[in-house]
Amino acid sequence: GAVVSQHPSWVICKSGTSVKIECRSLDFQATTMFWYRQFPKQSLMLMATSNEGSKATYEQGVEKDKFLINHASLTLSTLTVTSAHPEDSSFYICSASPGFGQPQHFGDGTRLSIL
Amino acid sequence: DAKTTQPPSMDCAEGRAANLPCNHSTISGNEYVYWYRQIHSQGPQYIIHGLKNNETNEMASLIITEDRKSSTLILPHATLRDTAVYYCIVRIQGAQKLVFGQGTRLTINP
Repeated sequence: GAVVSQHPSWVICKSGTSVKIECRSLDFQATTMFWYRQFPKQSLMLMATSNEGSKATYEQGVEKDKFLINHASLTLSTLTVTSAHPEDSSFYICSASPGFGQPQHFGDGTRLSIL
Repeated sequence: DAKTTQPPSMDCAEGRAANLPCNHSTISGNEYVYWYRQIHSQGPQYIIHGLKNNETNEMASLIITEDRKSSTLILPHATLRDTAVYYCIVRIQGAQKLVFGQGTRLTINP
C-alpha cells in the first residue's frame, strides 16, 4: 500500500532555531501534499497544502513566513519552522494521496519540542 | 465539505463488535464518507470509505443509511489494538484536503 514517511520522528531544539521536517511518498508520486498540526488532546488542523513546483497554499491564520514549505520533487515536501519558539511545540503530520480519488495516507508525524 | 457529528467517546469489550456512529445530515450527492483512526502518537490511518453502498474490507465494514444522512463503522471483533480516536470525514472525491473533527475516542476493554 501507499507509504508516507516523515523525518525526524521527534526533535528537541532551543528557542530561536529553525527546524526542517521532511515528508516523503515512498512508493508513489504526489504533486500535492498536506501539512497538519496537532496540539495535545486536540484534533488535526490543516496548516497548508504543498504543491510540487509552485507555492504552497496556507490556511487562514497560518504564517507563511513562519512555516516555510518546499515541494521540490514529486516525492518530497519539507516544512521548515523558522525561529521556533515554545508555542510552536506540537505534533506535525503530513499526508499525500497516490492519485485522484484515492485516500490520503499519513506519515507517522514529527513531535517538535522547543525549549 | 459537510459537517459530521460523532460521540466524543465509546467503550467496547474486547472480542465484541464495535459500532461507531456518524451523522452527516447535510451531505451532498457527490460527497463520500471516509473513516480514519489515530492511535496515540501516530499519524492517522485510513480505514474505509464509501458513497452510498455498504463497504467491507479487511479492517472494517461501513454501513451507510439509504438517505446517506448517517453511517456506522463496524469493527467486527475489536481488539485492544483498536483503541484509538476514530474520525468520520465527508468530502467530495476530487478534493484531497481532509478536515478533521473531534472524532470518537474508542476504548477497547479487556
